[in-house]
Amino acid sequence: DAGVTQSPTHLIKTRGQQVTLRCSPKSGHDTVSWYQQALGQGPQFIFQYYEEEERQRGNFPDRFSGHQFPNYSSELNVNALLLGDSALYLCASSSDRGGTDTQYFGPGTRLTVL
Amino acid sequence: AQSVTQPDIHITVSEGASLELRCNYSYGATPYLFWYVQSPGQGLQLLLKYFSGDTLVQGIKGFEAEFKRSQSSFNLRKPSVHWSDAAEYFCAVGAISGGYNKLIFGAGTRLAVHP
Repeated sequence: DAGVTQSPTHLIKTRGQQVTLRCSPKSGHDTVSWYQQALGQGPQFIFQYYEEEERQRGNFPDRFSGHQFPNYSSELNVNALLLGDSALYLCASSSDRGGTDTQYFGPGTRLTVL
Repeated sequence: AQSVTQPDIHITVSEGASLELRCNYSYGATPYLFWYVQSPGQGLQLLLKYFSGDTLVQGIKGFEAEFKRSQSSFNLRKPSVHWSDAAEYFCAVGAISGGYNKLIFGAGTRLAVHP
């Protein structure tokens, strides 16, 4: 049983560019959450998708957007990249249980913005 | 406001010694609490979780944690540390809003193990 997978593993972009990160959830999971982990910090919640809709959002600007597909996989898009967007982006999947679900994380995508 | 504090940024222990990593949380209701471990360049692996019931929770790799409501703490323990336990450890609280769960993490504790 494959766990949560993310692609690509690493990515280098320049300021002002746009980037798309991808996530496939664990089998049987229908909810995908995205987190940003800056160097030396704990992960910060970006947003969560369920039934192809964003249902929760953290304190991130509109430059951060996402999408969930009918097969529950998800994309994170970041526009107009800033140097401060350099981080490890983690995807977590869970099975919606009204708040008591456990989130399982993928290996992350390391984004470097030059 | 909901928050998690891990007071120790860096801890070094000798192999075979006992370990306790501290975690304090601030949350208005009964918390759902988690400990995750992150090896260098890796994602987060769930060690254990507390939802309700017995306040002493057993996890993988010989770890356990105790929920103490009076102290707003959820400390992680291991009786004998192995060199492979060297990693970063994150405590998190599941913040439920409208029936949906997001995780709020502490800043992490980096564990080094001396041979």
